[in-house]
Amino acid sequence: AQSVTQLDSHVSVSEGTPVLLRCNYSSSYSPSLFWYVQHPNKGLQLLLKYTSAATLVKGINGFEAEFKKSETSFHLTKPSAHMSDAAEYFCVVSEGGSGTYKYIFGTGTRLKVLA
Amino acid sequence: DGGITQSPKYLFRKEGQNVTLSCEQNLNHDAMYWYRQDPGQGLRLIYYSQIVNDFQKGDIAEGYSVSREKKESFPLTVTSAQKNPTAFYLCASSIGRRNEQFFGPGTRLTVL
Repeated sequence: AQSVTQLDSHVSVSEGTPVLLRCNYSSSYSPSLFWYVQHPNKGLQLLLKYTSAATLVKGINGFEAEFKKSETSFHLTKPSAHMSDAAEYFCVVSEGGSGTYKYIFGTGTRLKVLA
Repeated sequence: DGGITQSPKYLFRKEGQNVTLSCEQNLNHDAMYWYRQDPGQGLRLIYYSQIVNDFQKGDIAEGYSVSREKKESFPLTVTSAQKNPTAFYLCASSIGRRNEQFFGPGTRLTVL
């Protein structure tokens, strides 16, 4: 069975410093992995996706994530935080082993950026 | 301008009333989804549809109903049987089930 764990419910960083949001997954098959961002009272926006191509995935707004199969991790990083990055971030795993390609969401990490 | 629209943005309902949330997409996507979001939790799947006139229950379908009469539309009805309907509801679509999902802006439903 697939699952995803976001290791931090809240992360605070100062503007201009690096961002690290951690995600671990469990999957019986080759998974697809996604990071989405949600600003307050808004829908989710896709930041980046991993679908078995390059393990280092670059996304929008300077974010990137590295798929590490040995560690079952897919951590999201950004070299320098901006105030506009303050939002909630969701890690998502999807696999086709059962034929459903169902999305399994993490519980989210709320990122706070301090001036 | 392609995308997914949901209406209304805010919705208030009295206990015992059914209410229908609208979701429309002009992306020509085959698959559509409804999710419920509660504070401190990830999104949970209510219903999904892979093709017109077909839909399947998700993890929390009780108290909800859907229809898929047109490719671009996937309305969700929250019935009086749903015991705790106050939540943020998100609609999504994808080209197919294997592909990434794109989300609408959401509808916040409050039961008074």
